[in-house]
Amino acid sequence: GAGVSQTPSNKVTEKGKYVELRCDPISGHTALYWYRQSLGQGPEFLIYFQGTGAADDSGLPNDRFFAVRPEGSVSTLKIQRTERGDSAVYLCASGGLAGVAHILTFGAGSRLTVL
Amino acid sequence: GQNIDQPTEMTATEGAIVQINCTYQTSGFNGLFWYQQHAGEAPTFLSYNVLDGLEEKGRFSSFLSRSKGYSYLLLKELQMKDSASYLCAVRDLRGAGSYQLTFGKGTKLSVIP
Repeated sequence: GAGVSQTPSNKVTEKGKYVELRCDPISGHTALYWYRQSLGQGPEFLIYFQGTGAADDSGLPNDRFFAVRPEGSVSTLKIQRTERGDSAVYLCASGGLAGVAHILTFGAGSRLTVL
Repeated sequence: GQNIDQPTEMTATEGAIVQINCTYQTSGFNGLFWYQQHAGEAPTFLSYNVLDGLEEKGRFSSFLSRSKGYSYLLLKELQMKDSASYLCAVRDLRGAGSYQLTFGKGTKLSVIP
């Protein structure tokens, strides 16, 4: 597609529930990143995919968070047993086109609210 | 680890020039980025510096000094639409062999008439 698409744009859930957030990157981009942004803060790195594999998942806060990218395109961030502290905007970014691989294009984000 | 500092807020007048500073401490430095983020929207790429010096792109310029761990973003002829958060981000080589972007907390710029 023309840009990075993220769904849902807004998700309200109850504490303890399971949530999936989806990212559809720009076609042809090999790199995909997940970031989390809390109010008044900069984006915080969660995980990075190169192709289908997670090249760096050092930013995932704990084992309740997991992400997949099975076919090297769409990615899903999965959060189990959500907690109120998980409330944030989850941003996805993609990059990797030759010559401009270092420039990331961000999606508009999925705003997660855990009640 | 990485440490990126930038002012929390700035206010400037329409038509004026404003400079947003960023200092950083990191290992494996591989470039510094500036992103613009309007409230409720995605960050959008503004500039990239990997060598020392000034990069100019229209009304926006970005400067880097690697020895000082310092960068600034210069916005000229300010317009009301420039009101946004400006994020400084450093790209560095992690132990896993991948490059990562670490962001500062952002500088919220308010442009007033």
